[in-house]
Amino acid sequence: GDSVTQMEGPVTLSEEAFLTINCTYTATGYPSLFWYVQYPGEGLQLLLKATKADDKGSNKGFEATYRKETTSFHLEKGSVQVSDSAVYFCALSDKGAQKLVFGQGTRLTINP
Amino acid sequence: DAGVIQSPRHEVTEMGQEVTLRCKPISGHDYLFWYRQTMMRGLELLIYFNNNVPIDDSGMPEDRFSAKMPNASFSTLKIQPSEPRDSAVYFCASRPTLAGTTDTQYFGPGTRLTVL
Repeated sequence: GDSVTQMEGPVTLSEEAFLTINCTYTATGYPSLFWYVQYPGEGLQLLLKATKADDKGSNKGFEATYRKETTSFHLEKGSVQVSDSAVYFCALSDKGAQKLVFGQGTRLTINP
Repeated sequence: DAGVIQSPRHEVTEMGQEVTLRCKPISGHDYLFWYRQTMMRGLELLIYFNNNVPIDDSGMPEDRFSAKMPNASFSTLKIQPSEPRDSAVYFCASRPTLAGTTDTQYFGPGTRLTVL
């Protein structure tokens, strides 16, 4: 079945550092890909998404490009802030399945 | 607009008691999803509804769990009897139908359940 694998956490960085969180997927079809973020004590919020190969999703300085050839959707940010500290989830949705499959989540902590 | 509303936000109960979690989806959304989040298993889909009808309940762990959606604006997830291993954060999410696409799910703030 469909699955999502994220890089193991937790990840700790200093403010203004470059961030990469790796995400690879396995799917039988051509899924849509998502990054969700969960701040402490809150539900998940959509951060960005891409619906087809080579699409780039971006929001709040974060970017991820849908790479069909490597089945990846890595999350990047050029300069992180303390306020980016959260848990980040990569997810896919097979267009026929109507539901999301999540990775295990990566906890990110940014130190001032 | 109000987002997905869940109640209660926190629930502490004793083993063997019945627990009912409630969700109000965003108005106009015709898909509703129930998830469970634990440290050990991450985020798991339990069940989802379309137009108030359960579509896939393969994630419901056992017969102690049941979910209903009596109308478009309300859903419940019930655990009877509850056990300590049910302790988790339970999320409800909703989304609209958009022809030809699979779109974003909108999550509620979650209910943190502790079963003693």
